[in-house]
Amino acid sequence: GAVVSQHPSWVICKSGTSVKIECRSLDFQATTMFWYRQFPKQSLMLMATSNEGSKATYEQGVEKDKFLINHASLTLSTLTVTSAHPEDSSFYICSAEGSGKNIQYFGAGTRLSVL
Amino acid sequence: GDSVTQMEGPVTLSEEAFLTINCTYTATGYPSLFWYVQYPGEGLQLLLKATKADDKGSNKGFEATYRKETTSFHLEKGSVQVSDSAVYFCALRDSGNTPLVFGKGTRLSVIA
Repeated sequence: GAVVSQHPSWVICKSGTSVKIECRSLDFQATTMFWYRQFPKQSLMLMATSNEGSKATYEQGVEKDKFLINHASLTLSTLTVTSAHPEDSSFYICSAEGSGKNIQYFGAGTRLSVL
Repeated sequence: GDSVTQMEGPVTLSEEAFLTINCTYTATGYPSLFWYVQYPGEGLQLLLKATKADDKGSNKGFEATYRKETTSFHLEKGSVQVSDSAVYFCALRDSGNTPLVFGKGTRLSVIA
């Protein structure tokens, strides 16, 4: 199946710093990418949907100025957690899908720990 | 809006036992249905899917049948292995390039 690479897999940062997470589709063109957040023993919560070349669509309750999403190419989307705080500590997962396909391929996730 | 309800876990089974994880959905249209599996410390992997009523998805010994009359997509496996220990998520989506709607996940532990 298709491969989605997410980097880094684990990051620890100090409160107030910003962290960038990359999501790459390695062998297909991802017209749409999704960013999810997963709390311990919980399901995935959709944060935003991004289409290549356009602004991301954020779900209700997700601060777009705090979680900056860029989808500048058909193979790369980034999520930047700005001025991170301990409550932002979570597991962030991206997924990618090609045009006309009906399958989302998921990255392995990034565990963010904010001290 | 659309929603997915799956049985609460955790589920603990002995090796070679029969597995059923129930999943029901609510949707306005005719969604595609999916089962994803998440192994410890990893992201989600697509396990199987079905795109229309009466379709059966299958993979790695797991099966699920799209039942429109009961709005269900129960996951089954005849004989589980320790390596099947993971969290299983049922999900739906209305159409391509739209977000998945996930159930809360069911943690399965298989003991030898």
